[in-house]
Amino acid sequence: AQSVTQLGSHVSVSEGALVLLRCNYSSSVPPYLFWYVQYPNQGLQLLLKYTSAATLVKGINGFEAEFKKSETSFHLTKPSAHMSDAAEYFCAVSDPFGYSTLTFGKGTMLLVSP
Amino acid sequence: KAGVTQTPRYLIKTRGQQVTLSCSPISGHRSVSWYQQTPGQGLQFLFEYFSETQRNKGNFPGRFSGRQFSNSRSEMNVSTLELGDSALYLCASSFLAGKDTGELFFGEGSRLTVL
Repeated sequence: AQSVTQLGSHVSVSEGALVLLRCNYSSSVPPYLFWYVQYPNQGLQLLLKYTSAATLVKGINGFEAEFKKSETSFHLTKPSAHMSDAAEYFCAVSDPFGYSTLTFGKGTMLLVSP
Repeated sequence: KAGVTQTPRYLIKTRGQQVTLSCSPISGHRSVSWYQQTPGQGLQFLFEYFSETQRNKGNFPGRFSGRQFSNSRSEMNVSTLELGDSALYLCASSFLAGKDTGELFFGEGSRLTVL
């Protein structure tokens, strides 16, 4: 069965600093991978997705992620954090059988200080 | 284009009662999935419906059930509520069937509190 591990339930950065949120996955077949963001009292919004095209994926709000098969990783980065980036971030892997089902990591809360 | 709409947004029930949550997907989307989100367990998959058929089901007891109507709207029902059912229930829709879709569009959720 596929699984997702997000290292660090909380990550704190200063405004303007690099954001790095870690995600490692396991999957029996080449996966599709996703990063979602959740603001308080809201649903999940897609940041970016990897679907076996380019390994470096650019998303919304300046975020990007790199798929590294050898490391089974899909870390999320942003060069310069903004206060509005404070939210919870979830990494997810697709179902190998082709259903519209995602397996999510536990999430990482990003805290941004001025 | 309207997003995924979930009703009600908030509700409070007592143990032993039952609850029905509703989800209207994005127009044209035929797949609807449900997830339970709790602080301890995170996001857990409940079930997915496509063209009124349940295609996939997570590891939840039979008290959790769902259905999808011909207009793709979906409902989920939880019977004999327990305190541990308190959670944010998220509905998500997608356009196509299968792995090639991947992307799910989420509603804002229905927050259920069981007293």
